[in-house]
Amino acid sequence: KNEVEQSPQNLTAQEGEFITINCSYSVGISALHWLQQHPGGGIVSLFMLSSGKKKHGRLIATINIQEKHSSLHITASHPRDSAVYICAGSNKLVFGAGTILRVKS
Amino acid sequence: DTAVSQTPKYLVTQMGNDKSIKCEQNLGHDTMYWYKQDSKKFLKIMFSYNNKELIINETVPNRFSPKSPDKAHLNLHINSLELGDSAVYFCASSLRAGASNYGYTFGSGTRLTVV
Repeated sequence: KNEVEQSPQNLTAQEGEFITINCSYSVGISALHWLQQHPGGGIVSLFMLSSGKKKHGRLIATINIQEKHSSLHITASHPRDSAVYICAGSNKLVFGAGTILRVKS
Repeated sequence: DTAVSQTPKYLVTQMGNDKSIKCEQNLGHDTMYWYKQDSKKFLKIMFSYNNKELIINETVPNRFSPKSPDKAHLNLHINSLELGDSAVYFCASSLRAGASNYGYTFGSGTRLTVV
């Protein structure tokens, strides 16, 4: 079993919808990262969380330490949000399998 | 200015060859990493160096040898390339090792194809 599990694997949404991607992780991970990989292949670090909630524009990331669970939310989704979203546990980055998001206009 | 730069972006080579991928960061970070992304897009760490010293070495064949001449550079040399080595290799850096409190910056990746 992978130390970091993501769901769903694939997600198709209509433009404007609220999107949630979930991530569960095992013991030994002290912080969680959310990454975005665009179709062109580049990887961008979106958030790093060890507690609470962070917001950047239309993106919100939350983490529940007790339940070992994190969520990435996208409000008012747009086709340019289409990408692979990956959660990863530190310290050396243990990756989830990624969620392929496609937002249709 | 590119923060983490990898070269080459694409590399096509024959089985049995030896090749190198270079990575440089201009962020002043202490720690650098190599990750492999397989055909199913799953990312996995290979190596990590902190200030030129190897700190993480996952179960990677010893045909793969990282080299860090200084903390701004982490190169990956691969001997006797095999078909299964075909993947995208990402370099990344973080301010400190054990980057629980620091973010990561990734290079744009090197797509290696072994034929």
